[in-house]
Amino acid sequence: KAGVTQTPRYLIKTRGQQVTLSCSPISGHRSVSWYQQTPGQGLQFLFEYFSETQRNKGNFPGRFSGRQFSNSRSEMNVSTLELGDSALYLCARQTPQRNNQPQHFGDGTRLSIL
Amino acid sequence: AQKITQTQPGMFVQEKEAVTLDCTYDTSDQSYGLFWYKQPSSGEMIFLIYQGSYDEQNATEGRYSLNFQKARKSANLVISASQLGDSAMYFCAMREYSGTYKYIFGTGTMLKVLA
Repeated sequence: KAGVTQTPRYLIKTRGQQVTLSCSPISGHRSVSWYQQTPGQGLQFLFEYFSETQRNKGNFPGRFSGRQFSNSRSEMNVSTLELGDSALYLCARQTPQRNNQPQHFGDGTRLSIL
Repeated sequence: AQKITQTQPGMFVQEKEAVTLDCTYDTSDQSYGLFWYKQPSSGEMIFLIYQGSYDEQNATEGRYSLNFQKARKSANLVISASQLGDSAMYFCAMREYSGTYKYIFGTGTMLKVLA
């Protein structure tokens, strides 16, 4: 419905592990942004990719990384997981160069760290 | 620095009544966009309404309208005839351009519609 597919929907990991989340926008949308949402910090911008290049980055440690493939699918990787990484991770597609176009979000991946 | 402020952590409204969710913003840019999103408990973020900084008319989308007061830097969301399904978290967001587009989100307002 929003044209963004995120997998998996739910994930449980333990401290120290790493995780990879996936985001696929509908065809033709080359811009993908990632957000972390927690009750305490709200919605925080992680990074944005456009045509396989990271175009923007938020204030997160280097344990958070991402990439984008030629088909616009994007992955986000978090290494050495910490309890504080428990969050809802949202991915959004957007139409660039058009100020009045909103971001459209996927359903998110809910990550729990034990 | 650009900022979005939503001062109401939570609100209650009776079904079929109207409700206003507050949003103020701070930016030095002349061109910007303001958005409202709804997030039900399921987690998905649903786009509701958009207002451009140069738009002279307040935006409306069905039961949603945006009360845009540029001089006061406020962009309040008005929901008319509230429905039980409107119970959700509501986020105000601003899109600014500084080389690339970036979104800034407020902390959200939790709305509960009472039967």
